[in-house]
Amino acid sequence: RKEVEQDPGPFNVPEGATVAFNCTYSNSASQSFFWYRQDCRKEPKLLMSVYSSGNEDGRFTAQLNRASQYISLLIRDSKLSDSATYLCVVNPSNAGKSTFGDGTTLTVKP
Amino acid sequence: DGGITQSPKYLFRKEGQNVTLSCEQNLNHDAMYWYRQDPGQGLRLIYYSQIVNDFQKGDIAEGYSVSREKKESFPLTVTSAQKNPTAFYLCASSIGRRNSNQPQHFGDGTRLSIL
Repeated sequence: RKEVEQDPGPFNVPEGATVAFNCTYSNSASQSFFWYRQDCRKEPKLLMSVYSSGNEDGRFTAQLNRASQYISLLIRDSKLSDSATYLCVVNPSNAGKSTFGDGTTLTVKP
Repeated sequence: DGGITQSPKYLFRKEGQNVTLSCEQNLNHDAMYWYRQDPGQGLRLIYYSQIVNDFQKGDIAEGYSVSREKKESFPLTVTSAQKNPTAFYLCASSIGRRNSNQPQHFGDGTRLSIL
């Protein structure tokens, strides 16, 4: 079993739709969590951190469920420009290497 | 502007040749990382360094070597022992042990191909 698992998709949704991605992690001692966005043939870019209380940034909402060991990303009112691969990242408690999920691909269609 | 600079953007390697990919950061970050990404795949960790003059193997270190003589620099050498080097190579940095809750930031990558 991988340390961090994501549904690879692809998720194909129409503009304006709401879409949610989940990411599960196996290390219960994990300390911090992030969502990154990666466009085709580009580097990953930080989308948002995920806090225990949940956090929102515009159309994006991130949630953490420590008991069930998963994080989620909700995108409301999808735009064509949201089309990308979304990576979840989990940091261990001892400031070592991060663990990246393989990503979930989203395509938003007109 | 602060950031991570990778060079070159594209690199071609002849069979049997060693090549070195450059990664420089001016973010004053302690930790630096090298990843490899194959088409349609996730990131795989090659090497990482938490502090100057120290580095550890990642999941796929065979055929690669690194050095960390300066805080701002973490070059990666792809040796002739790496038989399938064609990939997208990404360098990243983070604050490091001083604050484990901080994310990694990436350079814009180097695409390596075999001639």
